[in-house]
Amino acid sequence: EAGVAQSPRYKIIEKRQSVAFWCNPISGHATLYWYQQILGQGPKLLIQFQNNGVVDDSQLPKDRFSAERLKGVDSTLKIQPAKLEDSAVYLCASSRGGLTGAFFGQGTRLTVV
Amino acid sequence: AQSVTQLDSHVSVSEGTPVLLRCNYSSSYSPSLFWYVQHPNKGLQLLLKYTSAATLVKGINGFEAEFKKSETSFHLTKPSAHMSDAAEYFCVVSDPAGNQFYFGTGTSLTVIP
Repeated sequence: EAGVAQSPRYKIIEKRQSVAFWCNPISGHATLYWYQQILGQGPKLLIQFQNNGVVDDSQLPKDRFSAERLKGVDSTLKIQPAKLEDSAVYLCASSRGGLTGAFFGQGTRLTVV
Repeated sequence: AQSVTQLDSHVSVSEGTPVLLRCNYSSSYSPSLFWYVQHPNKGLQLLLKYTSAATLVKGINGFEAEFKKSETSFHLTKPSAHMSDAAEYFCVVSDPAGNQFYFGTGTSLTVIP
């Protein structure tokens, strides 16, 4: 089966600019996650969707981050405006639940200068 | 609440010698546990998972892990390290439904030729 697709792979922007990341999960996976991984740290959950509804967004900085999953398939994560501390790898993952584990995309490496 | 602690941030072994990456967990429920590997500039790949079946779990690339409830541990081992094993390894615990995943801080494995 095809894996989780993410784009772009790399992005460099200036602080206060906007940026958007796209994710297409594995077909049939109802749960979609966005994680932020800062260099040297483990991934931190930003938001979790079940189909097109939000399950957990408690760690999403809602003043600048937003995410949507229209039609319960692919998803976009947006940052507006970006700060230097947003420099990280943004990982998208999907799962069909039932303790199968989550499957990750290759991530988008964001550098804010 | 669920959490994992990876006891070593860096492990260095010689090629051909055994690998041991340590993980302790804390869970209010009977846990489901996972190990993921992340090679440089790559996404996270599932190595193996424990979901209350056999306590010794075999994964890909010769890795295995043993669930020890009395020690609240889920250490990852491999009998003989290969150069290609050099990567970052994450221990992960999930909620009982397998919908939310909590990551450790990671262990960086270096393999010396």
